[in-house]
Amino acid sequence: QSVLTQQPSASGTPGQGVTISCSGSSSNIGSNFVYWYQQFPGTAPKLLIYRINQRPSGVPDRFSGSKSGTSASLAISGLRSEDEADYYCAAWDDSLSGWVFGGGTKLTVL
Amino acid sequence: QVQLQQSGPGLVKPSQTLSLTCAISEDSVSSNTASWNWIRQSPSRGLEWLGRTYHRSKWYNDYAVFVKSRITINPDTSKNQFSLQLNSVTPEDTAMYYCARGVAGAVEFDPWGQGTLVTVSS
Repeated sequence: QSVLTQQPSASGTPGQGVTISCSGSSSNIGSNFVYWYQQFPGTAPKLLIYRINQRPSGVPDRFSGSKSGTSASLAISGLRSEDEADYYCAAWDDSLSGWVFGGGTKLTVL
Repeated sequence: QVQLQQSGPGLVKPSQTLSLTCAISEDSVSSNTASWNWIRQSPSRGLEWLGRTYHRSKWYNDYAVFVKSRITINPDTSKNQFSLQLNSVTPEDTAMYYCARGVAGAVEFDPWGQGTLVTVSS
């Protein structure tokens, strides 16, 4: 059971937008930055969004992050087939004094 | 760009010690802004942060509560790498293990190593 809660799956058609949510608590998302990772089968996760809404160099601006209270969201606009992957959120947890992850959301592009 | 290269055995017997190493290129394990992390992933438990080592005038370690009694993460400044030791392993420790860099207050867990699948079995 992951500390951060994500919906197991999400889907959309090419060109559409989709939102992936991540729910936590006051000790993690509520008081710290949120990070998002993209993972393709057989590969290591890759940083997608850092400090809630910042994109590393090379990440398309179709990906955006936001936070409200103890929840965070990853929005993907203009869906493309290559966006089909697993997406994970993460945050530092002050109570646990460690990093915690969401259980992951499998995105399917129909 | 920073690269992390993992090495270590893929099979460990129950009750023995899991040992992995992560070699760092284009950064320093002694950096005063980076942290050096171990994270694992399994189908049953998802992504789990195990711990980190970092240097801020002296060396520090942070470990996840659920492995704190069994884990050691050590820097090796002579080889610019860091290691993971997990003692008394059980089949539940079977997972893909990753090393990853963090930069305090900025980019966390970027980049990641290539991953090492460790199976705990007799």
